[in-house]
Amino acid sequence: DIQLTQSPSFLSASVGDRVTITCRASQGFSTYLAWYQQKPGKAPKLLIYAASTLQSGVPSRFSGSGSGTEFTLTISSLQPEDFATYYCQQLNSDPYSFGQGTNLEIK
Amino acid sequence: QEQLQESGPGLVKPSGTLSLTCTVSGASISRYYWSWIRQAPGKGLEWIGYIYYSGSTNYNPSLKSRVTMSVDTSKNQFSLNLTSVTAADTAVYFCARGSEWLYSWGQGTLVTVSS
Repeated sequence: DIQLTQSPSFLSASVGDRVTITCRASQGFSTYLAWYQQKPGKAPKLLIYAASTLQSGVPSRFSGSGSGTEFTLTISSLQPEDFATYYCQQLNSDPYSFGQGTNLEIK
Repeated sequence: QEQLQESGPGLVKPSGTLSLTCTVSGASISRYYWSWIRQAPGKGLEWIGYIYYSGSTNYNPSLKSRVTMSVDTSKNQFSLNLTSVTAADTAVYFCARGSEWLYSWGQGTLVTVSS
């Protein structure tokens, strides 16, 4: 099974900051990776798929990159609505595992 | 855009069967793959599996012996059955469209396993 480890697990930042969340995989793979945003009491929302493709309707301040064992989600300028928990998910092999999540909080 | 809505009992007894249905509106269930994901209280996400309208399935190996998914095209619904449940199966259960990228999700339904 592929294990995904996100860093950091907790991140405190301010509106306007640029932040990067990293997802490291226990085994390398190409671009079968997605990023989701989840707000309290809500379902996750797809932000990025295929490691770097922005889902329709998602603001361009979100971007994804990486391949192999290291992937990143970057938010170029944090907005108030971006404070949430972010998860990566690998779709390279069964089971389609998620990272443990990164809780992005307002500083 | 399609909407998904989970429904089913919110309380299941230990050793019983958890049964949930996801009703899809705004999209034909025959066009896509459909998934189930769960989230234990205060925890991360766990992929359960997916189903195609033809009945083809792919389950998480850790749950495979207890999971069954099905599709009812006449009602535009798909379902999840999880047998022999324990307290560890207490979670919010989400249905979603897609097999890999999960494009749209239901709001989720909390299922508690308790006597």
